[in-house]
Amino acid sequence: EIVLTQSPGTLSLSPGERATLSCRASQSVSSSYLAWYQQKPGQAPRLLIYGASSRATGIPDRFSGSGSGTDFTLTISRLEPEDFAVYYCQQYGSSGTFGQGTKVEIK
Amino acid sequence: QITLKESGPTLVKPTQTLTLTCTFSGFSLSTSGVGVGWIRQPPGKALEWLALIYWDDDKRYSPSLKSRLTITKDTSKNQVVLTMTNMDPVDTATYYCAHSSIGDLFAFDIWGQGTMVTVSS
Repeated sequence: EIVLTQSPGTLSLSPGERATLSCRASQSVSSSYLAWYQQKPGQAPRLLIYGASSRATGIPDRFSGSGSGTDFTLTISRLEPEDFAVYYCQQYGSSGTFGQGTKVEIK
Repeated sequence: QITLKESGPTLVKPTQTLTLTCTFSGFSLSTSGVGVGWIRQPPGKALEWLALIYWDDDKRYSPSLKSRLTITKDTSKNQVVLTMTNMDPVDTATYYCAHSSIGDLFAFDIWGQGTMVTVSS
C-alpha cells in the first residue's frame, strides 16, 4: 500500500501570501492518479486538482499542482480568505490512499 | 447535475455488520468510465479511502480493510452498497460516497454530504 506523507502539518500564513504544500509518496505514483482536495469544517472535501496538475471544474487558477514520481506539490499563489482549510493529497493505483492532511491557517 | 446521498444506521454495536447505501442521480453506473467510491473520516482525523466500484463491476478495496469490506452496485436503482463486517469503536466516522470518472482520471469529483456512524454498545 502506498503511503502519502504531507508536509507541513500546519501552515500559518496571511491572506495574499503564497502557500506551498508537499505530498511525498512511499513509492512512485503515476502522475495520472494524484489528486488534491480542500476540506472546510463540516463540509465534504472538494476536488481541486487531478492528474497531478489539472484543475477541476470551477477551480480558480491561483491553485496549481505539480510533481511526478514520489514528490508532488500544491501551490496557492495568493491566499484568499476562503482558502484557509485542510488540504489532502490522494493517489490511486490498484487501490487508493490519502495523505494525513495539511491545515492552512490564518497567521 | 450529479448528486449522491449516503444512508444507513447512525449507531451500530461492536461486532455487528454495517450496511451503507449510496443513492445517486445525474449519471449511470452502467456508463463506461464511471465509478463510485467510499471514503471515511473519523472525527478530527484524516480521510481514509475504502473501496471503489467501476461501471464494469471491477472492484478495488483498501488492502488494510479488504477482509471486512464488500462493495456492490444496483444499476437499476442507481445505488451502491458498502458492507463492513465486525464493526469496532475505531470505525466510528463520517462515511462518504463519491463519484469518479475517467474524465477526472478517477479522482472523486462529486461527493455526498456524508453520514455519521457511531460504533458503541
